[in-house]
Amino acid sequence: DSGVTQTPKHLITATGQRVTLRCSPRSGDLSVYWYQQSLDQGLQFLIQYYNGEERAKGNILERFSAQQFPDLHSELNLSSLELGDSALYFCASSPRSTGLTEAFFGQGTRLTVV
Amino acid sequence: TQLLEQSPQFLSIQEGENLTVYCNSSSVFSSLQWYRQEPGEGPVLLVTVVTGGEVKKLKRLTFQFGDARKDSSLHITAAQPGDTGLYLCAVHTGTASKLTFGTGTRLQVTL
Repeated sequence: DSGVTQTPKHLITATGQRVTLRCSPRSGDLSVYWYQQSLDQGLQFLIQYYNGEERAKGNILERFSAQQFPDLHSELNLSSLELGDSALYFCASSPRSTGLTEAFFGQGTRLTVV
Repeated sequence: TQLLEQSPQFLSIQEGENLTVYCNSSSVFSSLQWYRQEPGEGPVLLVTVVTGGEVKKLKRLTFQFGDARKDSSLHITAAQPGDTGLYLCAVHTGTASKLTFGTGTRLQVTL
């Protein structure tokens, strides 16, 4: 158990819909990262928050957004969903915002868009 | 073009065999990490290497960081079914601590 909790584990939704994925980081970790894992693209970094502020952005689509709340949990919002958004979405947390650190991953949310 | 290329992409071997997987790049890194991801789970950190030429051992797993800090290898001795999973190398890039992952090597060890 990494200490990172993601909900829901599975999500099936239709094209055009909007979903919210939730992540609770390890106790004490201030950094939260979101990753997308698909078969053809591998594990791709989406966005990082540190103590409520956005710190780094990857190839995150404009239809996707995220935030980190005062209690440090984070949500990833995916809107106008397309079939190609079907993937595993992972949240990870770490104690630091910069430099070498270990990332602790949740079990992921498997999103299926039909 | 991927920053970190891993090879082979897939590997299916029998219990007891030895294997090596590679992580290559044209860039120089200050450190490199190896993660293992089992089905239905997120990646878990196995090791961090920081010095060129460094060798680290974790039971039957041996990790090496290239002298020029551009590549790394993972050698597994006497593989067991419990070693089955996706092996990912990763580096921290940019000013933040975000990880960029390699393309991955999917290992299956059968009895």
